[in-house]
Amino acid sequence: QKEVEQNSGPLSVPEGAIASLNCTYSDRGSQSFFWYRQYSGKSPELIMSIYSNGDKEDGRFTAQLNKASQYVSLLIRDSQPSDSATYLCAPAAYSGAGSYQLTFGKGTKLSVIP
Amino acid sequence: GAVVSQHPSRVICKSGTSVKIECRSLDFQATTMFWYRQFPKQSLMLMATSNEGSKATYEQGVEKDKFLINHASLTLSTLTVTSAHPEDSSFYICSARVPDEQYFGPGTRLTVT
Repeated sequence: QKEVEQNSGPLSVPEGAIASLNCTYSDRGSQSFFWYRQYSGKSPELIMSIYSNGDKEDGRFTAQLNKASQYVSLLIRDSQPSDSATYLCAPAAYSGAGSYQLTFGKGTKLSVIP
Repeated sequence: GAVVSQHPSRVICKSGTSVKIECRSLDFQATTMFWYRQFPKQSLMLMATSNEGSKATYEQGVEKDKFLINHASLTLSTLTVTSAHPEDSSFYICSARVPDEQYFGPGTRLTVT
């Protein structure tokens, strides 16, 4: 069974600090990795995707992937109160038909304190 | 990113009635759409994968006769909750894939009284 582990939090950081969100996954067949942000009562919003080992930066967000360790992380620099949300890690494993399926972690709740 | 819409955003119905939820891809064609359900403080649970022009693929434990999915066109998939009961009250979210990324609709909050 595919498992995605995230610290449920809440993770509290002061405004302006770096928030570090971590995720481990069990399926070594996972090839693509996504981070979604979900505000309370809303649907998930895609914020980052990463496909190869290393770092990928997009604005204040940096995703890091280490397939050997089955580990993916998301760093949020200069955290803002508006970043307060639940962050979902979602590895994707491809099937032989060319499609893939996401497996979601339970999410880490981030709280940015003004 | 790609835009996925859902209608209605919120619905309250009486036990025993049926509810239809629409999911549309607004600026792209989606051969595959996904339906998820999320209970409070829990993670997303995939219910079924909807393929245009063919039968949906349901996840284990999801009753296909209760949750009817129709994907009649490349931009529209519908989920009908038949004979709804209070335990079906949840947040239903559709999602569509643009080659390598998956985008979610805004969700439909269903309350069955």
